[in-house]
Amino acid sequence: DQQVKQNSPSLSVQEGRISILNCDYTNSMFDYFLWYKKYPAEGPTFLISISSIKDKNEDGRFTVFLNKSAKHLSLHIVPSQPGDSAVYFCAASPTAGGYQKVTFGTGTKLQVIP
Amino acid sequence: DSGVTQTPKHLITATGQRVTLRCSPRSGDLSVYWYQQSLDQGLQFLIQYYNGEERAKGNILERFSAQQFPDLHSELNLSSLELGDSALYFCASARGDYGAGELFFGEGSRLTVL
Repeated sequence: DQQVKQNSPSLSVQEGRISILNCDYTNSMFDYFLWYKKYPAEGPTFLISISSIKDKNEDGRFTVFLNKSAKHLSLHIVPSQPGDSAVYFCAASPTAGGYQKVTFGTGTKLQVIP
Repeated sequence: DSGVTQTPKHLITATGQRVTLRCSPRSGDLSVYWYQQSLDQGLQFLIQYYNGEERAKGNILERFSAQQFPDLHSELNLSSLELGDSALYFCASARGDYGAGELFFGEGSRLTVL
């Protein structure tokens, strides 16, 4: 049972345009959400997070939107840069559960074309 | 550089064999987490240690075991290896053992079982 789903395995975007990566979850106990970025031959690195008490969180070019009623979150990258080309993992957790309760999606590979 | 060190980076072995993967957490981090990423799968939580003690178990097979040593490094032992054990194994560390914040991942150990 995949509780965190990233239905798009890959996405290609032109440099300078907006990249939108989507993530759906099924567990209503999840109330904390994270995005990790992974380059080839490297481990995932934390990018941005959002608590369920918010519906938006921004950090520079990266914005995460949360729609609790739809159990959907998205990561917007504006403008997209070639260095953003990586695999992006969505992750979700019940805050009371600890790190071991973090559930990861299968990832979306973003390619930003110069 | 996340500060988390994993060795070896690559490992090729045969079915039925046993291997040990090693992880050194970031300086000051007491928690170590092990994750498995198989082809087209998300990161699957295996096991967590905090300050030498096992704290949580996820989808870890009985053929697999782990420990955390007094110097806080951790080892994941995989025995009676099967073809399906081929995967990327990530170690992650965190300061504490509770919460839903950021995990720091190593570069991973890619295991190939032939």
